[in-house]
Amino acid sequence: DAKTTQPPSMDCAEGRAANLPCNHSTISGNEYVYWYRQIHSQGPQYIIHGLKNNETNEMASLIITEDRKSSTLILPHATLRDTAVYYCIVRVGETSGSRLTFGEGTQLTVNP
Amino acid sequence: NAGVTQTPKFRVLKTGQSMTLLCAQDMNHEYMYWYRQDPGMGLRLIHYSVGEGTTAKGEVPDGYNVSRLKKQNFLLGLESAAPSQTSVYFCASSSQLAKNIQYFGAGTRLSVL
Repeated sequence: DAKTTQPPSMDCAEGRAANLPCNHSTISGNEYVYWYRQIHSQGPQYIIHGLKNNETNEMASLIITEDRKSSTLILPHATLRDTAVYYCIVRVGETSGSRLTFGEGTQLTVNP
Repeated sequence: NAGVTQTPKFRVLKTGQSMTLLCAQDMNHEYMYWYRQDPGMGLRLIHYSVGEGTTAKGEVPDGYNVSRLKKQNFLLGLESAAPSQTSVYFCASSSQLAKNIQYFGAGTRLSVL
């Protein structure tokens, strides 16, 4: 799996968009980008994933650059409940693999 | 929707005691996983199962055993607990068609004294 790099921490004002970057410059053509988050003391929660097209669901949007070397997770209207550690994970395919490798992630703090 | 349920939520053991952590999922998932998370660190895979009756070792399997007698349940056993096994344990499940979309339980907080 390609290595990912994320900033250790970010702050965001409540109600504003939170844009969380992830660098995956060594990603290969068949690797997907997955985003999870872990709210303090809870189990990780899947957010969204994509291959090369931008994706949107009820939780967030995922923007992947054309060269696929980086991506951005967007929480359009951050709330206090979005305060969590966000993990960007690169995995081969959608059906392969087993172990998810959670790196250090980005601690997002949403401020009132 | 229950999703993935872990029992117990908390447990304190003395060194050398044994215990079993239970994970149950109601999503008919083929794959199930046990991870541990130590303070300030990421999750590490202990064991996983690709179906009823099958299990496989993960990244840190030593000191643990698992069983998957029923598709919906995945048990994690500690035969002789050690202080190094103090951790938060998370169970997860996923479907065969979307292995990387894993659904996690709320965790079991285990302290070994």
